[in-house]
Amino acid sequence: DGGITQSPKYLFRKEGQNVTLSCEQNLNHDAMYWYRQDPGQGLRLIYYSQIVNDFQKGDIAEGYSVSREKKESFPLTVTSAQKNPTAFYLCASSIANSGGAMKQFFGPGTRLTVL
Amino acid sequence: DQQVKQNSPSLSVQEGRISILNCDYTNSMFDYFLWYKKYPAEGPTFLISISSIKDKNEDGRFTVFLNKSAKHLSLHIVPSQPGDSAVYFCAASGLGIQGAQKLVFGQGTRLTINP
Repeated sequence: DGGITQSPKYLFRKEGQNVTLSCEQNLNHDAMYWYRQDPGQGLRLIYYSQIVNDFQKGDIAEGYSVSREKKESFPLTVTSAQKNPTAFYLCASSIANSGGAMKQFFGPGTRLTVL
Repeated sequence: DQQVKQNSPSLSVQEGRISILNCDYTNSMFDYFLWYKKYPAEGPTFLISISSIKDKNEDGRFTVFLNKSAKHLSLHIVPSQPGDSAVYFCAASGLGIQGAQKLVFGQGTRLTINP
């Protein structure tokens, strides 16, 4: 069945280490997104990609990097430059459109804890 | 600059009664609005949406109302059920707002349905 998968569900890393979060979708969606959720702050956009081999910074891109080599995959790397990396990370995808109306589908999320 | 605001962090409602969740926005370029429901440690799931050409959209127990002049939308759940207990996010999108593919999310409202 179609959907978005994120792995792992829980991830622990030592401070100063880079870590890569996986996001895969088989919905044939063109656009993919990474969000971060912190308590009381809703969802904040880190990076997004509207097409393969292209991506743009979101509102809080500092300390993160992404790649979009395949339509199905949009991995997020949390680098050691990210000052507060402990958070719940959500990946989403949507059908590309030009009309502004859109609906994003979300994966189950990855809880990253940096020790 | 919070373009989408949910001013009530939490709401408690008796089972069977109506739940009303509110959302305000500041950018008049938004023309499509969505509500997502999120359980702890899971990704948000799409609930209902409304285009700016409408003022009401209904889907079963869920109704979204849009007041463009006030830049306000609300989600009504009636009757409320225990399974409705979750965090609800309001989101907005529109052509030309930082790119047509982006959603702007509110901070979320935690709804608790009491038996």
